[in-house]
Amino acid sequence: KAGVTQTPRYLIKTRGQQVTLSCSPISGHRSVSWYQQTPGQGLQFLFEYFSETQRNKGNFPGRFSGRQFSNSRSEMNVSTLELGDSALYLCASSLRGRWEQYFGPGTRLTVT
Amino acid sequence: GQQLNQSPQSMFIQEGEDVSMNCTSSSIFNTWLWYKQDPGEGPVLLIALYKAGELTSNGRLTAQFGITRKDSFLNISASIPSDVGIYFCAGLNTGTASKLTFGTGTRLQVTL
Repeated sequence: KAGVTQTPRYLIKTRGQQVTLSCSPISGHRSVSWYQQTPGQGLQFLFEYFSETQRNKGNFPGRFSGRQFSNSRSEMNVSTLELGDSALYLCASSLRGRWEQYFGPGTRLTVT
Repeated sequence: GQQLNQSPQSMFIQEGEDVSMNCTSSSIFNTWLWYKQDPGEGPVLLIALYKAGELTSNGRLTAQFGITRKDSFLNISASIPSDVGIYFCAGLNTGTASKLTFGTGTRLQVTL
């Protein structure tokens, strides 16, 4: 079974731009969570989607948003990029009723 | 955002040695997960724990769910060079859906 896939793997953007990252969960997994990883703050929860609905949200500004499609694929969007948004963005999927989360390889975003 | 305390922060050991690390929280969790992350990759799930006092093994890895529900421990026996990486604990309260709270990480380096 294929693992979680994330595209693109690397991205360089300029301050003020916006970016969209994509995540395809493991087949059959309907829950998708997003995390931001930085050297200073570690791994921080962004939000979680299940059946196209946001179930939980972390403490991030409204510039960070996401959505989930009917095939469980998810996207996250960051608008008006700031230098501090440079990070590894990780997506994880899980089966309904199970708490183990399986991570993708991440998208490395660099904001210049 | 909240991070759980992991210790040690880093460790340098020789191949064949056993390794112990722990993770502590100021609040209770009802699920603990342990992950390993290699450079440039997403975290890989190693072990999941669901009950206070539970001891679970996965090959050379053994993890325990602390009886206070505020801590967890990971042991690696007979370490090998491919054990190098960063180990993260993550706590989850199933009442808050799939929001994982991660530890600060333990960086393990193994010398021959």
